[in-house]
Amino acid sequence: SAVISQKPSRDICQRGTSLTIQCQVDSQVTMMFWYRQQPGQSLTLIATANQGSEATYESGFVIDKFPISRPNLTFSTLTVSNMSPEDSSIYLCSAEWVDTEAFFGQGTRLTVV
Amino acid sequence: AQTVTQSQPEMSVQEAETVTLSCTYDTSENNYYLFWYKQPPSRQMILVIRQEAYKQQNATENRFSVNFQKAAKSFSLKISDSQLGDTAMYFCAFMKPWGTGGATNKLIFGTGTLLAVQP
Repeated sequence: SAVISQKPSRDICQRGTSLTIQCQVDSQVTMMFWYRQQPGQSLTLIATANQGSEATYESGFVIDKFPISRPNLTFSTLTVSNMSPEDSSIYLCSAEWVDTEAFFGQGTRLTVV
Repeated sequence: AQTVTQSQPEMSVQEAETVTLSCTYDTSENNYYLFWYKQPPSRQMILVIRQEAYKQQNATENRFSVNFQKAAKSFSLKISDSQLGDTAMYFCAFMKPWGTGGATNKLIFGTGTLLAVQP
């Protein structure tokens, strides 16, 4: 198993600003992912965070809006850029090893006003 | 493309009773993994149970068990002796194994079932 620390746990931000969310795993993992969970909805994958290279984005998500970094095997960041109220969601990071289940951080509840 | 369907948006059960949550999925893959995750109000996604498609035996974890019907592409979760702490949103999820091409290991989630355990 893994312990995944995600911060901040919540934030209220002004529209037009950016927020960077950090995800730290207590051991080296193979894969890291970022998900968005809109109010009352399921989880939607934003991107796969690739160590040392550009993230792989899912349809509907672009790097300019959601830049992601993964400088090593235990850490990743997601930035939500130029925020609007539509970006108000829970953002979750997850980590996996080969053929294991995903372990999740506790999520970041973002409110854009 | 794989899809996961949970047809029960909400369910309710009395404490100590048994409840079954439904999940169906669609895939052309023969090997894959299926999961049930629980998300209580704290937002933390917690793994409840995992099933490998190549295993015919249904997975069990204490009070939680699954009924995996591969031919029918059905993966239901049974919770026995329900407890108040089981109140949460439950998500069924699908994952392809490593090396099967494309963006493997990403989870595909159903829409969730909100379970309320009543005292």
